[in-house]
Amino acid sequence: SQQGEEDPQALSIQEGENATMNCSYKTSINNLQWYRQNSGRGLVHLILIRSNEREKHSGRLRVTLDTSKKSSSLLITASRAADTASYFCATVLSGYSTLTFGKGTMLLVSP
Amino acid sequence: DVKVTQSSRYLVKRTGEKVFLECVQDMDHENMFWYRQDPGLGLRLIYFSYDVKMKEKGDIPEGYSVSREKKERFSLILESASTNQTSMYLCASSLQGQSNEKLFFGSGTQLSVL
Repeated sequence: SQQGEEDPQALSIQEGENATMNCSYKTSINNLQWYRQNSGRGLVHLILIRSNEREKHSGRLRVTLDTSKKSSSLLITASRAADTASYFCATVLSGYSTLTFGKGTMLLVSP
Repeated sequence: DVKVTQSSRYLVKRTGEKVFLECVQDMDHENMFWYRQDPGLGLRLIYFSYDVKMKEKGDIPEGYSVSREKKERFSLILESASTNQTSMYLCASSLQGQSNEKLFFGSGTQLSVL
């Protein structure tokens, strides 16, 4: 089945910097979600953006969606060491009811 | 506080053994899912269930079965474990009608098959 593909695969930044991760997908979607996974643990839902929305904010998170380019970006502003984790995008394809996940971006935030 | 609990954090089994992975949620969610996560492959859906005694195949159901006798419990069964089933297994749940929205995940079971 189709997957979102995150880019970059890994990202290393300093505390206080912004982190941007991108997700591209191949077919029409109902919604796109971002999840965080701390090392060896389960995933935590961060934010959902619907196909008719262009931008959403949640705290230090900003998500954009460009359906014409079939892409989304997750921006984490003023990163903290605690933001160190893997970040996954998940898409719900039109006509389907389950999520398909990308392979994730590993973010390392150094103090 | 919502909670999805997986019975084991780490599990080591031998090839050919029958393995049960248990998942319990306390949120009265109708939908439950089993994923496996492998390096370089991301999360892949094995099975899911929309209701008690109902099950649907995901993308990679081969070698697995599931059981949902009670609403809160969803079990993943490896009838005869093989080394290529060594993986992190993640259980998740969601509300009825929102199976494609917010998923709540357990902490995962790291299964090693020797």
